Amino acid sequence: KNEVEQSPQNLTAQEGEFITINCSYSVGISALHWLQQHPGGGIVSLFMLSSGKKKHGRLIATINIQEKHSSLHITASHPRDSAVYICAVRRSYNTDKLIFGTGTRLQVFP
Amino acid sequence: EAGVAQSPRYKIIEKRQSVAFWCNPISGHATLYWYQQILGQGPKLLIQFQNNGVVDDSQLPKDRFSAERLKGVDSTLKIQPAKLEDSAVYLCASRYEGELFFGEGSRLTVL
Repeated sequence: KNEVEQSPQNLTAQEGEFITINCSYSVGISALHWLQQHPGGGIVSLFMLSSGKKKHGRLIATINIQEKHSSLHITASHPRDSAVYICAVRRSYNTDKLIFGTGTRLQVFP
Repeated sequence: EAGVAQSPRYKIIEKRQSVAFWCNPISGHATLYWYQQILGQGPKLLIQFQNNGVVDDSQLPKDRFSAERLKGVDSTLKIQPAKLEDSAVYLCASRYEGELFFGEGSRLTVL
């Protein structure tokens, strides 16, 4: 079993829909990152979380440390949101090492 | 602020040939990572530098892969000789105050 699991693996949506991507992890962490990767492109860091909730534009990220779970929400989705979203956690005892999920591929259709 | 620069963006070689990738992190970022990302998978850490010292290279296939960061700034990753299974995107990233900054990646195709 992977230490970081994401769901769903693939997600399609119509423009304007509210989207949720989930990340569960099984190790103690000091921080969790949500990353975005466009086809053929590099990776962009969206959020770094250690507790609570963060918002940036139409993106919202939440984390529940007790339940070892984080969600990434996209409100009013747009075709330009189509990308792979990757959850990565930093272990609490080895803060330099990241453990990556396998990503969620999102396609938003007009 | 300039981002993490990587080159080349794309490289096609035949198996048993060699290839080198270059990364210039954001100025002042002491921590630099090289990741390998095979299609459909998450990034896998190859090596981590802190300034010019190696922090973690436990997953680097040292019989064919090498990396250096001589002056604690830019870094090169070399593969010699390449195998078919090395086809992947090689991502360079730097870290500052916990935040990660990735380059565009170098896509390698080994034929």
